[in-house]
Amino acid sequence: AQSVAQPEDQVNVAEGNPLTVKCTYSVSGNPYLFWYVQYPNRGLQFLLKYITGDNLVKGSYGFEAEFNKSQTSFHLKKPSALVSDSALYFCAVRGSNSGNTPLVFGKGTRLSVIA
Amino acid sequence: GAGVSQSPSNKVTEKGKDVELRCDPISGHTALYWYRQRLGQGLEFLIYFQGNSAPDKSGLPSDRFSAERTGESVSTLTIQRTQQEDSAVYLCASSLALTPYEQYFGPGTRLTVT
Repeated sequence: AQSVAQPEDQVNVAEGNPLTVKCTYSVSGNPYLFWYVQYPNRGLQFLLKYITGDNLVKGSYGFEAEFNKSQTSFHLKKPSALVSDSALYFCAVRGSNSGNTPLVFGKGTRLSVIA
Repeated sequence: GAGVSQSPSNKVTEKGKDVELRCDPISGHTALYWYRQRLGQGLEFLIYFQGNSAPDKSGLPSDRFSAERTGESVSTLTIQRTQQEDSAVYLCASSLALTPYEQYFGPGTRLTVT
């Protein structure tokens, strides 16, 4: 079985400060990891993914995520937060040995960037 | 190019009525997914289609829910005898194939059952 956990329901950060949104996972085989963002009253937008290669993945809007195999984590980061980054963030995973199963999504973390 | 589109954007229906939600995936995407998102909650997987394979219906919450897909194009999600707990945003996504390809989401259909 595959699963993903986002331990924080809410993250608050001051504008200009670095932000981290946490994600841990459990899969069979190698993980395929994704981050999505959902702005109010909008669908989900793809931010970045890790399939293989460098552990640090860079994505849209200045976001990056670091794959850590030993800690089974894929935390989302940004060096300097903007008020416009305030949104709901979802981590998703699928394992390479998971057959024909689709992505499993975390419950989401609401990021609030305060001016 | 065009993204995933869904219609209607909003649907208000009376309890007990049937509703049909439509999804137009990105052209060429063989995989199509339906999710449900209740207010302030995460994504609940409902069903997905991959090419000509039998759909994975494991996430459908009851036999009132069904979905069809015409080839590798349009999909409709049907909810029969709607209940108030069906009120949610229904999201459709498509991808080039199964993971590792990223899924692209439509804007969703907000269903309100009164």
